[in-house]
Amino acid sequence: KQEVTQIPAALSVPEGENLVLNCSFTDSAIYNLQWFRQDPGKGLTSLLLIQSSQREQTSGRLNASLDKSSGRSTLYIAASQPGDSATYLCAVSVTTSGSRLTFGEGTQLTVNP
Amino acid sequence: ETGVTQTPRHLVMGMTNKKSLKCEQHLGHNAMYWYKQSAKKPLELMFVYNFKEQTENNSVPSRFSPECPNSSHLFLHLHTLQPEDSALYLCASSLGVGSGAKNIQYFGAGTRLSVL
Repeated sequence: KQEVTQIPAALSVPEGENLVLNCSFTDSAIYNLQWFRQDPGKGLTSLLLIQSSQREQTSGRLNASLDKSSGRSTLYIAASQPGDSATYLCAVSVTTSGSRLTFGEGTQLTVNP
Repeated sequence: ETGVTQTPRHLVMGMTNKKSLKCEQHLGHNAMYWYKQSAKKPLELMFVYNFKEQTENNSVPSRFSPECPNSSHLFLHLHTLQPEDSALYLCASSLGVGSGAKNIQYFGAGTRLSVL
């Protein structure tokens, strides 16, 4: 059974700092990995999707890497801003259909002005 | 605004009540999903519908009954729930169910359910 773990569970940093969120998964037989953002009272927003054949994806200040063989992914956030404060979730797709996502518990990020 | 609307946003019900959660998407997607997010637990897939047909049931108890009358609407009918069913229920939709980037799931804001 696939299990996804995110470390740390919570992180508080001053504005402007670069930071790394970690995600690990137990079964390397994945089809893709996604990073989502969840704001209080709102649903999830997909930030980046990395296919199993890819090593990284970038979007603005965000960079996600994938090391499928070691079962790890990182989300790098450059020059953090208070607006980045949210819970970040990692999810892996374990079927070709892509419909079955296994999520981690998330990292709650607070960026202080 | 993600294009996926869930109603109601909050719901309190007794264990003997019957209620329904509604999800509507305006994205022209063909697949819709129900997820459960409990406190201190990972988000958990409940059901998947593709072109109105159920394709996934993640061993969900029968007190949760989904309905998908068309590709734009998804319901979750609730009856004789237990207090441990209290959670945030999230709906999502995607263009299709493949693992490619075009099938990214778009989520609604969720219904916060409390069972007394």
